[in-house]
Amino acid sequence: DAGITQSPRYKITETGRQVTLMCHQTWSHSYMFWYRQDLGHGLRLIYYSAAADITDKGEVPDGYVVSRSKTENFPLTLESATRSQTSVYFCASSENKYSPLHFGNGTRLTVT
Amino acid sequence: DQQVKQNSPSLSVQEGRISILNCDYTNSMFDYFLWYKKYPAEGPTFLISISSIKDKNEDGRFTVFLNKSAKHLSLHIVPSQPGDSAVYFCAASEAGNTGKLIFGQGTTLQVKP
Repeated sequence: DAGITQSPRYKITETGRQVTLMCHQTWSHSYMFWYRQDLGHGLRLIYYSAAADITDKGEVPDGYVVSRSKTENFPLTLESATRSQTSVYFCASSENKYSPLHFGNGTRLTVT
Repeated sequence: DQQVKQNSPSLSVQEGRISILNCDYTNSMFDYFLWYKKYPAEGPTFLISISSIKDKNEDGRFTVFLNKSAKHLSLHIVPSQPGDSAVYFCAASEAGNTGKLIFGQGTTLQVKP
């Protein structure tokens, strides 16, 4: 199916572990984004990418690393997970910087 | 500092009545506003948007109103249906650049049959 998919849907990891969340889109959209959703904060932008090999920080980038070697993939890595990174993570894409974002169904990450 | 605020965490309305969801912003540079709807265990989906050159935009049962002087926008749903029960997020950006959307905290709408 065309669209944007995130994996895994659920992940439990321990403090200090590295974990990577995957995001894949089939629209060939230029822009891709990572947001986290926390109670009381809504959605906050972690990183975004305007094209392959171009990434930039959002509001809350600390503790996260992204890469975008291919247009369709935009993985998010937590290099050393902390409990404060327990959240629901959403990947999104858009055709250009003036188009609405299309979101994946999210990854619920729990750091113990 | 929250630049986009949805001060009502929840709203309950009767089926067939109007739902009004509110959103306030502080950044006068915001010129493009969007509403997203989110069901449990799904990602947000785009609902409707408005540019700052307009004060109203309508799409079927959904209308967004923008009051630039008050830095306030609202989403009206008429008539409300049980399937509209969801979390609604407003979002704003500068220069129409959706690459850096700032979201509000969300309002949970419950439409009772």
